[in-house]
Parts: sequence; structure tokens; C-alpha cells
Amino acid sequence: DTGVSQDPRHKITKRGQNVTFRCDPISEHNRLYWYRQTLGQGPEFLTYFQNEAQLEKSRLLSDRFSAERPKGSFSTLEIQRTEQGDSAMYLCASSLSIAGANEQFFGPGTRLTVL
Amino acid sequence: GESVGLHLPTLSVQEGDNSIINCAYSNSASDYFIWYKQESGKGPQFIIDIRSNMDKRQGQRVTVLLNKTVKHLSLQIAATQPGDSAVYFCAEGITGGFKTIFGAGTRLFVKA
Repeated sequence: DTGVSQDPRHKITKRGQNVTFRCDPISEHNRLYWYRQTLGQGPEFLTYFQNEAQLEKSRLLSDRFSAERPKGSFSTLEIQRTEQGDSAMYLCASSLSIAGANEQFFGPGTRLTVL
Repeated sequence: GESVGLHLPTLSVQEGDNSIINCAYSNSASDYFIWYKQESGKGPQFIIDIRSNMDKRQGQRVTVLLNKTVKHLSLQIAATQPGDSAVYFCAEGITGGFKTIFGAGTRLFVKA
């Protein structure tokens, strides 16, 4: 257990439905990341927060995706009008931005299946 | 649990042997490199990292080698154990940056 938790661990939804995932990072970590991972691939960067500010979004993140970190603590990732291609593992990671340190701690992920 | 990396390259080693997993990275500007281990149903777990001002770094039973000339990274695991069976990913980044780019994984299978 890395100290990063994600909820739910599994989500099955029908195409067109909205889903929301939650990530609770390690409490003192100011950086939070979202990744997507499909079978046979490494995690792909989606977006990044420094405290409550969303500083970067990947082109992979279409308009149907939105992420928030309202108080600089937990974060949510929402997918609207889900498509079958959204089926993947969604990973959250956190880190502490001190000089020279970039170790990210990953949560267990949320497995999304879109039917 | 979920199976990670169904179509990944696989390295099969006998318990007690040493394992070497290789990775080619893509960005010449990257100066920070990490190896992660991912078991089924879990997120990636940090193993060891190395900065570009070094060519070798050792941890507990693991050694990472960096060859910047050919943009190659390797992970050596000594006395491989069944618990080392997992998918291993190399990743690259830039000091002070935030984006970590993961490479293709390798599945390590340890035969008892």
C-alpha cells in the first residue's frame, strides 16, 4: 500500500453514461497526476495538478474528460458520455515537489469497463 | 486480479538466477530515469531511479545502468525470487518537470 487510494476500484457502465473517479493522494504531497493504462501498455499521462492548479493536460484528454482538485487534496476525474474506447485502468499518482525528487506514488487504479 | 501486459515481451528466469531487463528511452533531454514494478491489479511501484550524471546505481538486489550515448537503460535483479514476477516499466522525465513518460513494459516470469 503506497498511501494513495482510489475509489471505486472497478466501474462498469453503459456507453453514454457519466462516471466519476476519486483519488486521495498522500496527504503532504502537493503534486497529483492522472494516467490511463490499457492492456499491454505503460501508463499514459493525462493531467497534472500542483496543489489545486491544473497545470497540464494531455491531448489524450478530450473535452469529455475533466479533472478537479478543489482544495489541493483529493482529486476527481469525470468522464462524460463514455465511449467503449474509454475502457482502461485509470491511475492516480502523487509526489512531493522538493529539489531533485520526482518519485511518484501510484494508487491501485480504477478499472473502467464501458459496455 | 487484472492481468497487466498480456502482449508484452516476456523474460523467463529460474529462481535464484539474475535477471536483466532492458529499455530504450526516447528523449535526449531526459535526465531522470525510473524503474517501476507492476503486479496484477496494482498500480506501478517505484523500484529505483537514476539521474543522468550517473551511469550506475545500486539498491537492494537491484542495479540500474544508464548508457546515455545509446539512450539505453537496464535493470538488473540479483537472485531473482518468485515475488519478483511482475511487469517492469522504465520511465523518463526531466528534473523539475512533472511529466513522466513510460516505456513499453517487460513481463518477468520467475520459475520456481
